[in-house]
Amino acid sequence: GENVEQHPSTLSVQEGDSAVIKCTYSDSASNYFPWYKQELGKGPQLIIDIRSNVGEKKDQRIAVTLNKTAKHFSLHITETQPEDSAVYFCAATDSWGKFQFGAGTQVVVTP
Amino acid sequence: DTAVSQTPKYLVTQMGNDKSIKCEQNLGHDTMYWYKQDSKKFLKIMFSYNNKELIINETVPNRFSPKSPDKAHLNLHINSLELGDSAVYFCASSQDRTLGEQYFGPGTRLTVT
Repeated sequence: GENVEQHPSTLSVQEGDSAVIKCTYSDSASNYFPWYKQELGKGPQLIIDIRSNVGEKKDQRIAVTLNKTAKHFSLHITETQPEDSAVYFCAATDSWGKFQFGAGTQVVVTP
Repeated sequence: DTAVSQTPKYLVTQMGNDKSIKCEQNLGHDTMYWYKQDSKKFLKIMFSYNNKELIINETVPNRFSPKSPDKAHLNLHINSLELGDSAVYFCASSQDRTLGEQYFGPGTRLTVT
């Protein structure tokens, strides 16, 4: 089955700096890679996703890159703000729609 | 106008009791899921239903039984609750099982004492 590893587990950044979270996956059949943001006491919310036929996708301050050959994908947040503080999860899913989540990254943006 | 809703939000109960968590989605999606998030924030899928049919059934104790009366509802019944069942349980839905995007509910924090 799929195995997703996520690094780092915690990430502290100064406001205005960039944050990068990296994930690797094991199943070459995985074709969909979402990123979720979970704020305290809330459910995970989809912030950006990428499919296996695309190498990069950007939405304002966030971007995701995918390297299918190396089986890794990354989330990039630029110009970080205090409201970006949360736990971020990557996931990989196969054609059956089954998600395997990474272990999460606690991002803390300090003013 | 909540997309995926769960009840209750908090559930505190004693070991050995039986409890249910309800989930409803008003997105018109065909597929619904139950996830368990442990104290270390790890999210793991438990079950998935597609149009009331069970399609994913991970290694979960038999004490957990999902039920989907219609495609907008997926409930989770837990028998003989144990301390290790304490966690946050999330319901999610997606348009269908192949299109990807899953939308999560707010979660139910279950505490077993």
